[in-house]
Parts: sequence; C-alpha cells; structure tokens
Amino acid sequence: DSGVTQTPKHLITATGQRVTLRCSPRSGDLSVYWYQQSLDQGLQFLIQYYNGEERAKGNILERFSAQQFPDLHSELNLSSLELGDSALYFCASSFRTSGRANEQFFGPGTRLTVL
Amino acid sequence: DAKTTQPPSMDCAEGRAANLPCNHSTISGNEYVYWYRQIHSQGPQYIIHGLKNNETNEMASLIITEDRKSSTLILPHATLRDTAVYYCIVRVNTGNQFYFGTGTSLTVIP
Repeated sequence: DSGVTQTPKHLITATGQRVTLRCSPRSGDLSVYWYQQSLDQGLQFLIQYYNGEERAKGNILERFSAQQFPDLHSELNLSSLELGDSALYFCASSFRTSGRANEQFFGPGTRLTVL
Repeated sequence: DAKTTQPPSMDCAEGRAANLPCNHSTISGNEYVYWYRQIHSQGPQYIIHGLKNNETNEMASLIITEDRKSSTLILPHATLRDTAVYYCIVRVNTGNQFYFGTGTSLTVIP
C-alpha cells in the first residue's frame, strides 16, 4: 500500500459526459501527478501540482483539467468524453519536486470506460 | 528529458538473479535514473534510483556505468512475484516529471 488513495476504482460512462477522478496523496506529500495509461499509448504524464499550484503540463488534452485543493487532495476533470479516453488513470504523490528523496508513490488507479 | 531504451521482454529462472539493462546515452549530468515496476494493471511501484554511484536497497541493486550512458537493475533472487513490467526512467533534477517508456516485461519462470 503506497498511501495514495484514488476514487472511484471503476467508472463507466457514455461519450460526451463529464467525470471527476479524485486523489488523496500520502500524508505530508505536497506534489501530486496525474498519468494516463491506455493500451496503445503506455503511461503518459498529464499534469503536476505542487502545494496547490500547477507546476508542469504533459500530454493533457484541453478537455481535461485538474486542481489541487488546500487539503492537498487533487481532482482530475475529464469532459466531452470520447471512446479513446478509456484508460487507467493514476495519481502519484511526492514530498519534493527536486533533489534526491523525491520518488513518486502511485495510487491503485481509476479504470475509466467510455461506452 | 533523456530517452531510455530497454529490451521489450526477458525471462529469468526463479531463484536466479535478474539483470535488466537500460540505455540512456543522452543523459545529462543532473539527471537521475529511476526504476519502477508495474504488476498487471496495478499502480507502478518504486524500486530504486541513483545519480552516479551504484545503489542497493532491500529490493534491488542499481549499477550505473561510469559514463552514465547505461544502467542495470539487478534483482538478486528473482521470485514469481517479480514478474512485471520494469520501467527505466531518466528524470531531470527539477520538476520531477516522469516520462515512461515501453519498459521490459520480465517473466520469472519456475
């Protein structure tokens, strides 16, 4: 158990809909990262937040957005869903964003199925 | 970020050492090498990381060549539970974003 929690575990929805995925980082971790894993794309970095502020963006679509709240939990919002958005979405957290002791700890993931 | 190259798959006999290679020939001086593994569709699990020196922890050893252009992850006594996809990642010191490649699918054979 990494200490990172994600809800829900599974989500099934229809095209065009909007969903919100939630992540609670490990206690004390300030940084949260979101990743998408689909069969044809592998693990892709989406976005990073540090202490409530956006720190870096990866391959995140404009239909997707995220935020980190004052209690440090994070939400990933996916809108106008398409079939190709079906994937595993992982959240990870770390204490720091640089230096040596900043390994990321991953949650169990949310499996999104768009029908 | 430096790109990594790993063999797509490897087999290892149970109880033997598993040596997983990774090439990162474009690595810069301040970039760390990280290893993670993913079992089935679980969240990736941190294994080990290093900058220049060889590293060892309770899970594995990391051997980094002197020119830092390649590294090897060593699982000293592989078990069936070590069957997983192993990812070698090179991370810039600032920002901490990970860019995963395709990894090596390790199968431990009884």
